[in-house]
Amino acid sequence: QPVLTQPPSASASLGASVTLTCTLSSGYSNYKVDWYQQRPGKGPRFVMRVGTGGIVGSKGDGIPDRFSVLGSGLNRYLTIKNIQEEDESDYHCGADHGSGSNFVCVVFGGGTKLTVL
Amino acid sequence: EVQLVESGGGLVQPGGSLRLSCAASGFTFSSYDMHWVRQATGKGLEWVSAIGTAGDTYYPGSVKGRFTISRENAKNSLYLQMNSLRAGDTAVYYCAREAVTGGIDYWGQGTLVTVSS
Repeated sequence: QPVLTQPPSASASLGASVTLTCTLSSGYSNYKVDWYQQRPGKGPRFVMRVGTGGIVGSKGDGIPDRFSVLGSGLNRYLTIKNIQEEDESDYHCGADHGSGSNFVCVVFGGGTKLTVL
Repeated sequence: EVQLVESGGGLVQPGGSLRLSCAASGFTFSSYDMHWVRQATGKGLEWVSAIGTAGDTYYPGSVKGRFTISRENAKNSLYLQMNSLRAGDTAVYYCAREAVTGGIDYWGQGTLVTVSS
């Protein structure tokens, strides 16, 4: 099954931009990855799904246009522009391994804690 | 508006049992695959189980044989029966919906399970 790797922390100044990375393990370059935002004390919130061609489907409810994604090789990126205080959260990536009758599991990265300076 | 509300968490002794419930609303529950995902304090997300619309079930090795996921479509409810609980099962447990196109798109707020003597 795939392994998703995320750096444990990132930081950016108010109004700046930041790119978070989720890296798939070798052999899974065709996998789509879902990004989730988790504010302190809250459940995760779907941001958007990304494949090698970029966003797949629609953004999650209420996700601002400041959030965008890209995919390249084994990497799936989430970029946040014009960072606001409300963006300070943990960001998780996840992926389904298999689908339909071939579903096996869901895997998650370790999460990246984004600090807004 | 999609809503997922978990209940049933609490303090249980090692070796004990607990049944979690998730009340779903705002969508046609019977048409969606559903998941349980947990998160230990300060840790990342860990997938616990999934159930398809036909009642097919899936588990990771860490809970297989101890946890049972089920659904009652007439009551728009998802359940997780947890037996032989261990200290390592201590976590916030989230109910989550699988999007039609794959990936988890909605999460509940979670219910805390603490396994301790």
